[in-house]
Amino acid sequence: DTGVSQNPRHKITKRGQNVTFRCDPISEHNRLYWYRQTLGQGPEFLTYFQNEAQLEKSRLLSDRFSAERPKGSFSTLEIQRTEQGDSAMYLCASTLDGGNYGYTFGSGTRLTVV
Amino acid sequence: AQSVTQLDSQVPVFEEAPVELRCNYSSSVSVYLFWYVQYPNQGLQLLLKYLSGSTLVKGINGFEAEFNKSQTSFHLRKPSVHISDTAEYFCAVIPTGGFKTIFGAGTRLFVKA
Repeated sequence: DTGVSQNPRHKITKRGQNVTFRCDPISEHNRLYWYRQTLGQGPEFLTYFQNEAQLEKSRLLSDRFSAERPKGSFSTLEIQRTEQGDSAMYLCASTLDGGNYGYTFGSGTRLTVV
Repeated sequence: AQSVTQLDSQVPVFEEAPVELRCNYSSSVSVYLFWYVQYPNQGLQLLLKYLSGSTLVKGINGFEAEFNKSQTSFHLRKPSVHISDTAEYFCAVIPTGGFKTIFGAGTRLFVKA
C-alpha cells in the first residue's frame, strides 16, 4: 500500500472559481477525514466519513464546500466560488475504527486563491 | 468538548541537546493522546500515542512522552536532538470511542548546529 494519496499537491485558482481535490485513502481504512490547516496553526476538522456515509461536518464547512466518498473508497472535496480566505492546506487522513490507531495523513493539497 | 494547548510556539535548541515540548489538554471524558510531526510541505506523521497502561510511551526517531493525568499533560521529550528533527510537532487528543481528533496549534522545533 502506498499510503494516503492526495491530488493535486498544489492548486492556484482565481477567486470565484470552483476547485476539486481528491484523496485516496489506505484501502482497508473505513474512516476518512478532511482537515484544513492554515499557516502557524494545527489542523482543523472539516468532515468525516465512515465508509460512504458522511457522519459529521464542521461549522467551518460553509455551503460552498461539499465532500463525497462514493462506494467508501476515494473522496473528493469541492469548493465552489472560492474566496481568498479559502487559501490553506487541505489534509486528508484515514484510519480504522476505534480512534486508537492514530491517523495516516496524505501530503495535502495547498490551495492558493488569488 | 476537548482542547489542546501547546505551551511553546517555537523551541530553538542546539544539536545533541535534550528537548521537551509541552502539551496540556482539557477534556471531561477520557481520551487517547498523540504526538505527530510535520516536515515542510508534507502531511503529519504519527510519532507516538498513549492509550492506557504505562504512562511513559516511546515512539519513532528516539522520542518519548509521559502522560500525567493529574496535570492533564503529555509532554514530548528527546534526550539528544539532531538537525533532522527540525519540524513542527503537534499534540492531539481523541475521546475514547470517539471519532474526531483535536490538534494543538503546534510547536516549531528548530535544531541549530
